[in-house]
Amino acid sequence: GDSVTQMEGPVTLSEEAFLTINCTYTATGYPSLFWYVQYPGEGLQLLLKATKADDKGSNKGFEATYRKETTSFHLEKGSVQVSDSAVYFCALRNTGGFKTIFGAGTRLFVKA
Amino acid sequence: GAGVSQSPSNKVTEKGKDVELRCDPISGHTALYWYRQSLGQGLEFLIYFQGNSAPDKSGLPSDRFSAERTGGSVSTLTIQRTQQEDSAVYLCASSSEANEKLFFGSGTQLSVL
Repeated sequence: GDSVTQMEGPVTLSEEAFLTINCTYTATGYPSLFWYVQYPGEGLQLLLKATKADDKGSNKGFEATYRKETTSFHLEKGSVQVSDSAVYFCALRNTGGFKTIFGAGTRLFVKA
Repeated sequence: GAGVSQSPSNKVTEKGKDVELRCDPISGHTALYWYRQSLGQGLEFLIYFQGNSAPDKSGLPSDRFSAERTGGSVSTLTIQRTQQEDSAVYLCASSSEANEKLFFGSGTQLSVL
């Protein structure tokens, strides 16, 4: 079945450091890919998405490119801030359906 | 309502008791999902409903878990004979047919003593 694998956390960075959180997926067909974020004390919310190969999703300085050849959707940010501290979830939804599968989540701590 | 509403926000129960968790999705959203978030376990898919189609129950961990959605709106997740390993945050989400984005509720924190 479909699945999503994320790098294990926690990831601890200093402010202004470069961030990469790896995500790979297994799916039949051509899924849409997502990153969701859960800030402390808040509910999950969509951060960005990409719906087809080579698409780049971006939001709040975060980017992720849909790489079909490597089945990956790595999340990147050039300069993290303390306010980016949160749990990040990679997810996929396959074509022809609504079922959305999430990865295990990666906790990010950003130190001032 | 403006967002996905879940109740109760916290539930403490004794092992062996049944519990019901409620989700009120965003009005007009045809898809409704239940997930379980356990410490260190990430977000586990349980079940989803789409319109009038049969629900996808492939994620329910045992036959103690069941869910229904009445009138295409409110959903109830029922856990029978609760066990300590059922302790987790149960999240509900909904989405519209036109948009793949999921809108999440604040969750129900279930503690089984």
